[in-house]
Amino acid sequence: GEDVEQSLFLSVREGDSSVINCTYTDSSSTYLYWYKQEPGAGLQLLTYIFSNMDMKQDQRLTVLLNKKDKHLSLRIADTQTGDSAIYFCAESHTGTASKLTFGTGTRLQVTL
Amino acid sequence: GAVVSQHPSRVICKSGTSVKIECRSLDFQATTMFWYRQFPKQSLMLMATSNEGSKATYEQGVEKDKFLINHASLTLSTLTVTSAHPEDSSFYICSAGTGDDMNTEAFFGQGTRLTVV
Repeated sequence: GEDVEQSLFLSVREGDSSVINCTYTDSSSTYLYWYKQEPGAGLQLLTYIFSNMDMKQDQRLTVLLNKKDKHLSLRIADTQTGDSAIYFCAESHTGTASKLTFGTGTRLQVTL
Repeated sequence: GAVVSQHPSRVICKSGTSVKIECRSLDFQATTMFWYRQFPKQSLMLMATSNEGSKATYEQGVEKDKFLINHASLTLSTLTVTSAHPEDSSFYICSAGTGDDMNTEAFFGQGTRLTVV
C-alpha cells in the first residue's frame, strides 16, 4: 500500500526559511498536497502540486517535487510565529483527489 | 473556497453510549465524503468513504457496525460511534469532494474531538 513519511519535528528561528520534507512510495500518485493543522483545528490546504510538475510557488510557499526520488518538500520563506503548526503532506492517485493518504506530520516550531 | 461544517467540535460521552457526528457541505454538493481518524501525535487515517445514496466503503480494520455512516443527501454525512469506549477517544475529521476529476481539492471540516469517559 501507499506509504508517506515525514520527519516529526523542525525548529527554526523567526525570519529564517523552513524546509519540510516528505517521501512517498506510490509512483502513481497524481496529486501531492501540503496541509497545515493548528492546535485543535482541522486541516487547511496550503498548496498542491500535480505529479507532472517540478515546482510550484505561491507567495512564501515553494513546493519542490522530485518524482524520480519520490521526494516532496515545502519551503516557507521568512517563517513567522504564526506558521507554528503541524504540516502534513498527502498524496492521491484516484483522480478525484479527495481520498488522501497522509504523512505522519511535521511539527514546526518557530522561535524568536 | 468551499465550506465543510462539522458538528459538534467537541463531545464528551459516557462509555456505552452512542455519539453522532455531522459533516455538512454548505455551498456545494458532495457526492463523496471521507471520514478520517487521528490519534494523538499520529497522522490521519482514512476510516471510510461515504457515497450519497449508497453504503459506505470501510477501510480494512474499521468495524462497520461500530462506526455507522449515513450519507442521506448530497450535503450531509453522519458518523455514529456506537457503544463508545475510551479507546474510541480520538479526533474525527471529515472531508468532502464533488467526485469530479477536475477537482483537486478535498475540503475538510473542522474536526470533532471525542472523549469517552
